[in-house]
Parts: sequence; C-alpha cells; structure tokens
Amino acid sequence: GDSVTQMEGPVTLSEEAFLTINCTYTATGYPSLFWYVQYPGEGLQLLLKATKADDKGSNKGFEATYRKETTSFHLEKGSVQVSDSAVYFCALSDYWVRTGNQFYFGTGTSLTVIP
Amino acid sequence: DTAVSQTPKYLVTQMGNDKSIKCEQNLGHDTMYWYKQDSKKFLKIMFSYNNKELIINETVPNRFSPKSPDKAHLNLHINSLELGDSAVYFCASSQEALAGGRNTGELFFGEGSRLTVL
Repeated sequence: GDSVTQMEGPVTLSEEAFLTINCTYTATGYPSLFWYVQYPGEGLQLLLKATKADDKGSNKGFEATYRKETTSFHLEKGSVQVSDSAVYFCALSDYWVRTGNQFYFGTGTSLTVIP
Repeated sequence: DTAVSQTPKYLVTQMGNDKSIKCEQNLGHDTMYWYKQDSKKFLKIMFSYNNKELIINETVPNRFSPKSPDKAHLNLHINSLELGDSAVYFCASSQEALAGGRNTGELFFGEGSRLTVL
C-alpha cells in the first residue's frame, strides 16, 4: 500500500539556518506529493505541492522537488525564520475510481527556530 | 467564509458519554474525511466519504460513526467515550482534480476540534 516516511523530529535551528526535512514515499500508482504545515493551535494548511516527476513546488521560500527515481520529496528552505516554527507533514495522494482521492501522511516533523 | 468549518472547537466531557462533532464544507468538494491527531501530532485517517462510498479505517472502533446528511456535511458521532479518545479531530475535504488519471487536488482542513475525555 501507499505510505510516506519522513524525518523524525524535533528539529531545532537557529534563525537564518538552512533547513532540510527528508521525505520518501511508496505508492502503487503515480501520486501527487504535498507538504502541509501546522502552526500551533491551528489546522493543517497546504504549503506546496508537485503533481508530476521533476516538478518543483515552492511557497514562502520553501521548495521541494518530486524525484521519481529516488521516490523522494524533500523540503528545503535556505534561511529559516522564527515564524517558520511549526509541524511539517509530507503527504501523497492517489486517486481510486471506487473511493476517490485518498491521502497518506507522514508522521510530521516539528521545527523550532530560535532567534 | 471559512471553507471547512467544524464545531465545536473544544469539547470536554465525561467517560461513557456520547458526543458529536459537526463538519461543513462550502467548497463543493466531492470527498470529505475525518482525521484523528494524537498528542504526538500523528495524523490517522478515520473515514473518507464521497457520494459513492464510505471507507472506514478498520482500526477505528465501531463506537465512532460518520453521518453525512448531504454532500457538504460529514458529522462524527462517538458513543461511550473513553479516555483514549482524547485528541484533536480534523475534518477535511478534497475535490477530484484528475490529470492523466491521477489526483492533483489538495486536502483542505478545518481548524480542528479538541476533545478531552475526563
């Protein structure tokens, strides 16, 4: 079945440091890939997505590239800010004729950025 | 307008009680979902429902039951609440956006309902 594995946290970085959160996936089909972010006390919101191989999703300085050959979708940001402190979830979606869209989430990686 | 709204946001209740959490989406999406998030932030799919089929995660106790009066609503009913049911419950929805037989649409989440069972 489909699954997502992402880097365990928590991750603590100093402001302006480089961020990488690793994510790999297993899928029977040809999925779309997502990164969601959850700020404290809030729901999950889409950060970026990529729907086919070699696509790069980007938003708010974050980037991730859909690598089919390595089944990966690592999240990167060149210079993190305190406001980036949140939990980050890697996810994939597959479409099934009978059941529609199904989403599979990683375990989440907590990021804390200190001034 | 909030795209996916769920009520109540907070719910504190005693063991053994029955409670419901309501969810509504105004996005016109085809599929709705319920997720449970535990204290370690792990997200577990509980149900997904579209106009064709209800998919139940086999690990979800049958004390939990989804009810969908129409396409825009998917409510969660919980009977005989237990301490371990304490968690944040998220409703979500998505629209089928197919490209080459694959879904390219994303999931939209509500703000969550924090359930505390005493």
